[in-house]
Amino acid sequence: DAGITQSPRHKVTETGTPVTLRCHQTENHRYMYWYRQDPGHGLRLIHYSYGVKDTDKGEVSDGYSVSRSKTEDFLLTLESATSSQTSVYFCAQGQGYEQYFGPGTRLTVT
Amino acid sequence: EDQVTQSPEALRLQEGESSSLNCSYTVSGLRGLFWYRQDPGKGPEFLFTLYSAGEEKEKERLKATLTKKESFLHITAPKPEDSATYLCAVQASGNEKLTFGTGTRLTIIP
Repeated sequence: DAGITQSPRHKVTETGTPVTLRCHQTENHRYMYWYRQDPGHGLRLIHYSYGVKDTDKGEVSDGYSVSRSKTEDFLLTLESATSSQTSVYFCAQGQGYEQYFGPGTRLTVT
Repeated sequence: EDQVTQSPEALRLQEGESSSLNCSYTVSGLRGLFWYRQDPGKGPEFLFTLYSAGEEKEKERLKATLTKKESFLHITAPKPEDSATYLCAVQASGNEKLTFGTGTRLTIIP
């Protein structure tokens, strides 16, 4: 798993509630990423971080925010979850040009 | 806009029957092309990075090749444990985002 863990691994939540997903790495890499994976779309970048408190938007960032207060942790927050945010979320860490992925979080918004 | 198209969507092979998976891409200045393997319910597992046309990489029964417009993942004498979805992604120069294809689901029949 490339030294990355994600929590929770599964979550069911209701529309309109806030949700935070956590990504933790043990290898002190500078770059971390959040992707979502949906049938027919492949993996799409939500946000990424290039250091503590340094983040930038990806291609599907609307409705999501991120925070990185420590090198090892990268948090993804859905401020008010919607059914369109039902997906599998993957965190990745960057090593050079390559990205290594965590095990994923399956989120269902009802 | 960067684009990646993978074909076929699904492929069923008999054990030992060699074949190739295709990844066609358009990108504004290729930094790298990446192949991943993904098993059901798991995160993508990194396989190869290719940087320039003519480059080849090998790992066990897999060989990846790259031209200016496409990449092939050749699988030689596959075994049932090679069954997985294979993902291709590109990264443009100066861009942190990976653009993924939707994958080829490979099934090897004993």
